[in-house]
Amino acid sequence: ETGVTQTPRHLVMGMTNKKSLKCEQHLGHNAMYWYKQSAKKPLELMFVYNFKEQTENNSVPSRFSPECPNSSHLFLHLHTLQPEDSALYLCASSQEGKANYGYTFGSGTRLTVV
Amino acid sequence: QKEVEQDPGPLSVPEGAIVSLNCTYSNSAFQYFMWYRQYSRKGPELLMYTYSSGNKEDGRFTAQVDKSSKYISLFIRDSQPSDSATYLCAAMEYGNKLVFGAGTILRVKS
Repeated sequence: ETGVTQTPRHLVMGMTNKKSLKCEQHLGHNAMYWYKQSAKKPLELMFVYNFKEQTENNSVPSRFSPECPNSSHLFLHLHTLQPEDSALYLCASSQEGKANYGYTFGSGTRLTVV
Repeated sequence: QKEVEQDPGPLSVPEGAIVSLNCTYSNSAFQYFMWYRQYSRKGPELLMYTYSSGNKEDGRFTAQVDKSSKYISLFIRDSQPSDSATYLCAAMEYGNKLVFGAGTILRVKS
């Protein structure tokens, strides 16, 4: 496997469910990110991890809970979500100090909250 | 005011046309500028990277940055149906985070 892998690709969950999104990067990067992408809106940065330490939380509601057990894996735990949380959730990774490499994104998880 | 502004489109052009995609930004500290391409049901992929002002060319694609007017452009020559995608501009300061525009949907008709 190469690049950034996200699972599942699609997820439908009820508002009372608990589920988790998984991201794995095989690039040796030291920073990982969760983004939310909604139609016609800029990518919304949710969380940033550097060397598996959370360095940024952009006022994300507590119903989203990230976990980064090591620099290659990132999870987003979901519980009691709202319909407006339906979106594409993208994971990305980068190498700090290598700005010209940009971010490498996974294919995303399409989340639908019913 | 959003840090990076981008018209969401959609922009529809015939095959072979020259496409011009544009963004403006407000943060004068931005030094790195990128264009990402996102196909349907995929994540964004880095298409072009530019440092500071100037032009960069890669095949049919040219990225242009004008820091004096805070304007970012991407030109696509001889556009193809396979270029149909959403194009996101992004900018960052050194050591900080990428800031994205909303993305422009491009449709190239054969």
